[in-house]
Amino acid sequence: DIQMTQSPSTLSASVGDRVTITCRASQSISKWLAWYQQKPGKAPNLLIYKASTLEGGVPSRFSGSGSETEFTLTISSLQPDDFATYYCQQYSTFPYTFGQGTKLEIK
Amino acid sequence: EVQLLESGGGLVQPGKSLRLFCAASGFTFSSFTMTWVRQAPGKGLEWVTAISGSGDTTYYADSVKGRFTISRDNSKNTLYLQIHSLRADDTAVYYCAKDSPSDYVDHWGQGTLVTVSS
Repeated sequence: DIQMTQSPSTLSASVGDRVTITCRASQSISKWLAWYQQKPGKAPNLLIYKASTLEGGVPSRFSGSGSETEFTLTISSLQPDDFATYYCQQYSTFPYTFGQGTKLEIK
Repeated sequence: EVQLLESGGGLVQPGKSLRLFCAASGFTFSSFTMTWVRQAPGKGLEWVTAISGSGDTTYYADSVKGRFTISRDNSKNTLYLQIHSLRADDTAVYYCAKDSPSDYVDHWGQGTLVTVSS
């Protein structure tokens, strides 16, 4: 199975900060990577697919990049609504696997 | 509007079986792969299983292979997850999810909680 490793596990930041979350795959997944945001008690919400394509309705302050084994999710200027947990997921090879999550906290 | 409504969760004793349901609407159900993802309390997301639109092809995480069975009834727009020999570590919120044509999950249900305890 392909292992997905996110870093950091927890990130403390302030409103207006630029933050980056990294996701590494244990083998090449080309660009078959999605990012999801999850708030407490809610289902996840799709942010980005194919590593860098923004889902419709997602604010442009979110961006994704990377290919093969290394990927990043960047939020250019944190807003209060962005404090949540973020997950990457590879959909290159079954079983599809998620990273362990990155909790973005208010500093 | 895509809607996915899970049901069937609850408190179950270890070793028992349970069937989860997901009622889908707002899209052509038979055209899309469907997925179950679970989340144990306070933990991350775990991909569990998926089924092709026709129902001919299924995929499972190693952690559930042999105990979980995914199926669908396209005439009823309903997805199922049959779980046998429930264990304490199956305790989780189970999400039904719709895949996009490119295989990433683009819509999620609200989840149904399964608690395995005596």
